[in-house]
Amino acid sequence: ETGVTQTPRHLVMGMTNKKSLKCEQHLGHNAMYWYKQSAKKPLELMFVYNFKEQTENNSVPSRFSPECPNSSHLFLHLHTLQPEDSALYLCASSQTIDRRTYGYTFGSGTRLTVV
Amino acid sequence: AQSVTQLDSHVSVSEGTPVLLRCNYSSSYSPSLFWYVQHPNKGLQLLLKYTSAATLVKGINGFEAEFKKSETSFHLTKPSAHMSDAAEYFCVVSDHGNNNDMRFGAGTRLTVKP
Repeated sequence: ETGVTQTPRHLVMGMTNKKSLKCEQHLGHNAMYWYKQSAKKPLELMFVYNFKEQTENNSVPSRFSPECPNSSHLFLHLHTLQPEDSALYLCASSQTIDRRTYGYTFGSGTRLTVV
Repeated sequence: AQSVTQLDSHVSVSEGTPVLLRCNYSSSYSPSLFWYVQHPNKGLQLLLKYTSAATLVKGINGFEAEFKKSETSFHLTKPSAHMSDAAEYFCVVSDHGNNNDMRFGAGTRLTVKP
């Protein structure tokens, strides 16, 4: 257990469904992140939250909608996804937004399959 | 902007032999460098990091990496591979001139043969 918990571990959804991914950390970290990991591609940073405020959105399509109600919880709401959105979605946290100094703690990810 | 290149997509070694995973980086400023490991169906775990202190960095599970500025390299090594080292390894660079941006390499898959 890394300290960052993601649920569900696996998710299969149709293109018209709405689902949510959940991430939780009790490490006392102030920053949380969503990454997308696709086969044969480097990790892609999607969203950054610092003290529950969004600070970065890296041109992510609006069918992905993040929510951060507090510094310990992060959600990714999904709707009308495409098959190319199938990937491993990783949540991470860091002590502060200065992740260059502290690095990340990652969750185990949610394997998403869009059919 | 910074970038990172992992020179091998796949490395195969025999158990008990040395491991070398190669990483080259490009950075306009003093970089921070990291190695992460990802076991199947798991998230990424930090192995070690370089943040401008000692150039030889020791990490968990017997891994170490050496920052060589002249060669812009940060190769990961281990003297003796164990079966449990089989995983995907990612080199990451962050440029202190660029606002917290962390660039991941494409990964190197390490296979350990009995």
